[in-house]
Amino acid sequence: DGGITQSPKYLFRKEGQNVTLSCEQNLNHDAMYWYRQDPGQGLRLIYYSQIVNDFQKGDIAEGYSVSREKKESFPLTVTSAQKNPTAFYLCASSGTVGGLYNEQFFGPGTRLTVL
Amino acid sequence: GQQLNQSPQSMFIQEGEDVSMNCTSSSIFNTWLWYKQEPGEGPVLLIALYKAGELTSNGRLTAQFGITRKDSFLNISASIPSDVGIYFCAGLRAGGTSYGKLTFGQGTILTVHP
Repeated sequence: DGGITQSPKYLFRKEGQNVTLSCEQNLNHDAMYWYRQDPGQGLRLIYYSQIVNDFQKGDIAEGYSVSREKKESFPLTVTSAQKNPTAFYLCASSGTVGGLYNEQFFGPGTRLTVL
Repeated sequence: GQQLNQSPQSMFIQEGEDVSMNCTSSSIFNTWLWYKQEPGEGPVLLIALYKAGELTSNGRLTAQFGITRKDSFLNISASIPSDVGIYFCAGLRAGGTSYGKLTFGQGTILTVHP
């Protein structure tokens, strides 16, 4: 089945620890994105990547880091510098046709709770 | 960042009723998207609109891309309990410099009473 997978579904972390969230896609999409969603709020963009070995900060990148070593994978690290990391994290990807971006497809999400 | 104006914020309806929600923007998009998100899950793409004036259906869902390219609406006919969720609109500027970034509405929370 083609799609986007995120793991784990639920993650608990102690304050002061870094944690890495996984995102994998087998849709052959060039672009990948990470969003944060807080209760009752919309989606805010953390980082995005247009192509392997390249990524850009989104609207709320502070306290997060990413890598894009493979086309299929775009892991997100929530560092101890992130002041309020408890949230629902969503990964998405989109394809391109002739240099134009198509709609984004989302993974099932990871709920991170900092204890 | 910019957000789209999505309304209403929430709706409480009886099963069988029709639902209408809309999104407006101060700037132009060349693609409008409608997503549904259920609790604890990622958003699922319902309908994508690519041309101004386009009217597209997906089962009981109908969406339109406004002529001005600054608005879109979503209608759900004959609602059923499984329609419950949060509906998001999103605008996309597909060109290269946009990097495919989406601009989202705040969401419409739909509750359907059996």
